[in-house]
Amino acid sequence: GAVVSQHPSWVICKSGTSVKIECRSLDFQATTMFWYRQFPKQSLMLMATSNEGSKATYEQGVEKDKFLINHASLTLSTLTVTSAHPEDSSFYICSAGGGSGRDEQYFGPGTRLTVT
Amino acid sequence: DAKTTQPTSMDCAEGRAANLPCNHSTISGNEYVYWYRQIHSQGPQYIIHGLKNNETNEMASLIITEDRKSSTLILPHATLRDTAVYYCIVILPGAQKLVFGQGTRLTINP
Repeated sequence: GAVVSQHPSWVICKSGTSVKIECRSLDFQATTMFWYRQFPKQSLMLMATSNEGSKATYEQGVEKDKFLINHASLTLSTLTVTSAHPEDSSFYICSAGGGSGRDEQYFGPGTRLTVT
Repeated sequence: DAKTTQPTSMDCAEGRAANLPCNHSTISGNEYVYWYRQIHSQGPQYIIHGLKNNETNEMASLIITEDRKSSTLILPHATLRDTAVYYCIVILPGAQKLVFGQGTRLTINP
């Protein structure tokens, strides 16, 4: 099946710094990738849709200037959490479509961000 | 996209079939039923999807009622590794964007 990787798997950073998370589709090309956030004991919440070669589409309530998304190629999307605060601590997960017109999504393993 | 309703939690004995129900009474004619699961601290995993007919793959079977208002995901021989939160999602073809509800927390007991 399609494989999506994320890097890093976990990161600890100090308040006020920025953190970049990478999402890669390893064996297929993804024109669209998605970024989710998941707080403990809660479900996944879609943050934004990342479109290759164009601006990301953010869900209501998600600050586009704080969560910068870049989809520079058909296999790579990045999420940068700028000026991180402790309340940004969460599990960040990306996903991509299976390619070749397949509608199922394949998810990365997630990145656990802790802001101290 | 149609709303789905799932039980909050279920238990199943190891080796038995786990049957997870999902209600989607407002589903429209061209919406698909997708199932994903999330094992603790991992990204979700695609399981199976269907439109009208029952579907089976190496992971599970999906039974959709004739009126399509509900479906059941069947794990035929549950193992401890099947302990996870299972999400039933109804979505139009090509829509891609997934909206996750609370899902069903399935616990497989030894």
